Amino acid sequence: DAGVTQSPTHLIKTRGQHVTLRCSPISGHKSVSWYQQVLGQGPQFIFQYYEKEERGRGNFPDRFSARQFPNYSSELNVNALLLGDSALYLCASSERPGQGNGSPLHFGNGTRLTVT
Amino acid sequence: AQSVTQLGSHVSVSEGALVLLRCNYSSSVPPYLFWYVQYPNQGLQLLLKYTSAATLVKGINGFEAEFKKSETSFHLTKPSAHMSDAAEYFCAVSSYSSASKIIFGSGTRLSIRP
Repeated sequence: DAGVTQSPTHLIKTRGQHVTLRCSPISGHKSVSWYQQVLGQGPQFIFQYYEKEERGRGNFPDRFSARQFPNYSSELNVNALLLGDSALYLCASSERPGQGNGSPLHFGNGTRLTVT
Repeated sequence: AQSVTQLGSHVSVSEGALVLLRCNYSSSVPPYLFWYVQYPNQGLQLLLKYTSAATLVKGINGFEAEFKKSETSFHLTKPSAHMSDAAEYFCAVSSYSSASKIIFGSGTRLSIRP
């Protein structure tokens, strides 16, 4: 079975531009989460969606938004890019939102975003 | 609020030696605890998880971790290191009440000396 797939794998943008990152979850998984991993740090939670509804939001500005589609794939959008948005953006899927009841997160390989 | 602290950003051990990666957590509610591994240019892979069952948790690749509530610790160990264990390791915490997100530590880079 295919794992979590993310596109593109690498992206270079200029300050002020916007970007859309895409994620396809594992087949049968209905929950998608987005994380930002700045170089040298652990991943930081951005959003979680389940059944197309937002279930959680991390401490990120309104420039960050996301949505989930009927096929459970997801997009992360970032507007007015800043240099500090340069990071690895990770998507993770799970069967359902809970982490402790046998529904662990499965991560994709990420999208490396560089803002110049 | 929940948080995790990983002691030591870089640990280096010889091949065949004991691996010990330290993690302390803070949580006002019963925690779920995880260890993830990240190889270069890849996403994170779950090594093991604690969800209030047995305090000694066995994971993949010979790793295990012990939940010690009195010490608020969840250290990761492996009896004998292999060269293939070289990677970044992240401790993480979640809870039933905040199951929508996981809080990750800053990571420990494990190097293996031949």
